Amino acid sequence: DADVTQTPRNRITKTGKRIMLECSQTKGHDRMYWYRQDPGLGLRLIYYSFDVKDINKGEISDGYSVSRQAQAKFSLSLESAIPNQTALYFCATSGTQETQYFGPGTRLLVL
Amino acid sequence: GIQVEQSPPDLILQEGANSTLRCNFSDSVNNLQWFHQNPWGQLINLFYIPSGTKQNGRLSATTVATERYSLLYISSSQTTDSGVYFCAVDDYKLSFGAGTTVTVRA
Repeated sequence: DADVTQTPRNRITKTGKRIMLECSQTKGHDRMYWYRQDPGLGLRLIYYSFDVKDINKGEISDGYSVSRQAQAKFSLSLESAIPNQTALYFCATSGTQETQYFGPGTRLLVL
Repeated sequence: GIQVEQSPPDLILQEGANSTLRCNFSDSVNNLQWFHQNPWGQLINLFYIPSGTKQNGRLSATTVATERYSLLYISSSQTTDSGVYFCAVDDYKLSFGAGTTVTVRA
């Protein structure tokens, strides 16, 4: 089984809809992250969490919110999706000063 | 934030060739990672290398933290090496470069 799983893997939605992307990890890490990747670009950090009670904005948090339901679960919400949020979204986990491990990604298309 | 620059942006190789990818970063970092993104979008960890040299099969990496750069070496390239190679540096979160797109032709 994969250490970091993301659901759904692909999603098509319409402008204005609320959508949630979910991430689960079995590595026992405290730190979890959400990134987005646009075509031809590197990943940019949306939100990160160093433990269940710690949530921090990344460089592109506008239009997004997150919830850390448990050590192993970190979800990303788009409250009202817009077309420029079309992207590939990655969840990642790490221990303290360790390699970050990435999930398989969620391809989101906002029409 | 920390700036990460990768070069070259694109690289076309004939199968069997060797290559070097470079990553420059603008400030001191705690960690540095190299990733390979395959054509299906999956990100694969290659190296966690804040300093020194590591090797894994045909791939190796060297980070000179005092001079703020890291190099990724690909030897005897294969078509399966195609994809995008990212360098990412970590102060308390990862900052990614724009990547080097590698195409290996048979």
